Amino acid sequence: NAGVMQNPRHLVRRRGQEARLRCSPMKGHSHVYWYRQLPEEGLKFMVYLQKENIIDESGMPKERFSAEFPKEGPSILRIQQVVRGDSAAYFCASSPIPTGGDGYTFGSGTRLTVV
Amino acid sequence: GNSVTQMEGPVTLSEEAFLTINCTYTATGYPSLFWYVQYPGEGLQLLLKATKADDKGSNKGFEATYRKETTSFHLEKGSVQVSDSAVYFCALTSGQAGTALIFGKGTTLSVSS
Repeated sequence: NAGVMQNPRHLVRRRGQEARLRCSPMKGHSHVYWYRQLPEEGLKFMVYLQKENIIDESGMPKERFSAEFPKEGPSILRIQQVVRGDSAAYFCASSPIPTGGDGYTFGSGTRLTVV
Repeated sequence: GNSVTQMEGPVTLSEEAFLTINCTYTATGYPSLFWYVQYPGEGLQLLLKATKADDKGSNKGFEATYRKETTSFHLEKGSVQVSDSAVYFCALTSGQAGTALIFGKGTTLSVSS
């Protein structure tokens, strides 16, 4: 029973390139949450998605960031024209129901480095 | 808005020492409170939780009590082990469906033998 799978584990991008982070939720989980962890900071909520729908994107930067969770396949967090300030660890969590946090299972994260 | 404040780290202890990591929160209503642990290179794992005042969450020798009067949820363990070395995050959620977890900044614990 695989957990939440994120890939790649490490991603290096040059300034101005695009970064695509993938998250496959646990089997049977249809709710996905993305968080960002900046150095020396806690995790900050970015976006909450259900299959084919964005439910809450209040934590997403207004520009360059987008997320999707298609009917088939993993959830994708896309960052266009990356800048050094985007360097962080990005974590995905999934849950079987729209829980208040009790049933979140986190992935191991993608560590993005912008050079 | 809702927020979580944790004690600054790092916390450095010898094996079998007593551990306390302080956590206080600001929230409207009746939040649920959590402690998550992050081992090096891994994602977050739920350590324990409490959903109402005076509840005590416990797991793997760790415990924390939801204190509404002091808005606190301090993490304690009577005797730490080297394997407990990790980053510990206090978090809360309003308890409503689909609401995000709000995390503290994390406290790094280092236990030496």
